[in-house]
Amino acid sequence: AQSVTQLGSHVSVSEGALVLLRCNYSSSVPPYLFWYVQYPNQGLQLLLKYTSAATLVKGINGFEAEFKKSETSFHLTKPSAHMSDAAEYFCAVSDREAGGYNKLIFGAGTRLAVHP
Amino acid sequence: DAGVIQSPRHEVTEMGQEVTLRCKPISGHDYLFWYRQTMMRGLELLIYFNNNVPIDDSGMPEDRFSAKMPNASFSTLKIQPSEPRDSAVYFCASRIGPNGNEKLFFGSGTQLSVL
Repeated sequence: AQSVTQLGSHVSVSEGALVLLRCNYSSSVPPYLFWYVQYPNQGLQLLLKYTSAATLVKGINGFEAEFKKSETSFHLTKPSAHMSDAAEYFCAVSDREAGGYNKLIFGAGTRLAVHP
Repeated sequence: DAGVIQSPRHEVTEMGQEVTLRCKPISGHDYLFWYRQTMMRGLELLIYFNNNVPIDDSGMPEDRFSAKMPNASFSTLKIQPSEPRDSAVYFCASRIGPNGNEKLFFGSGTQLSVL
């Protein structure tokens, strides 16, 4: 079964600094990979997804992620952090099973804090 | 569309009581998922349905938990009897189509506190 590991449960950056949130995956088949964001008291929202097309994926709010098969990584980046980026971020992999990719398996999450 | 709708938003109950959480998926979505989020275990998939049929309930923690989907527009997650360790945020999510690359839409969750 597929799985994802997010390195660092908390990341703190200054406003305007680079954001880097790390995610490594484990999969025996070509994976579908996702980043979701959760703002306080809300459900998760899709930031971006990788589905075996371009390895560099651009998402909403200026975020992007690069799929690196050799490193089994799918790190999320944003060149310049904004205060509104403070949230919890989840990396996820679509678990392949009979009949297709059905279950979405989430990492433990990384809480991003942005300070002035 | 109003999105995935969950009710209640907050539920406080006493140990031993029955708790029922409700979810209305987005119209036309044929997959429905129940997740539980806790500080200790993160976001766990409990069960999911396809066309109202439960496909995988391997994440349901105990027999105290049960889920139903009587029709395409309604699902319930029931805990009977509830215990303090069930306290968590329970999310319902829905999706259209059989491919795992489709976007999953989440509800705002039900914050459950069992005293």
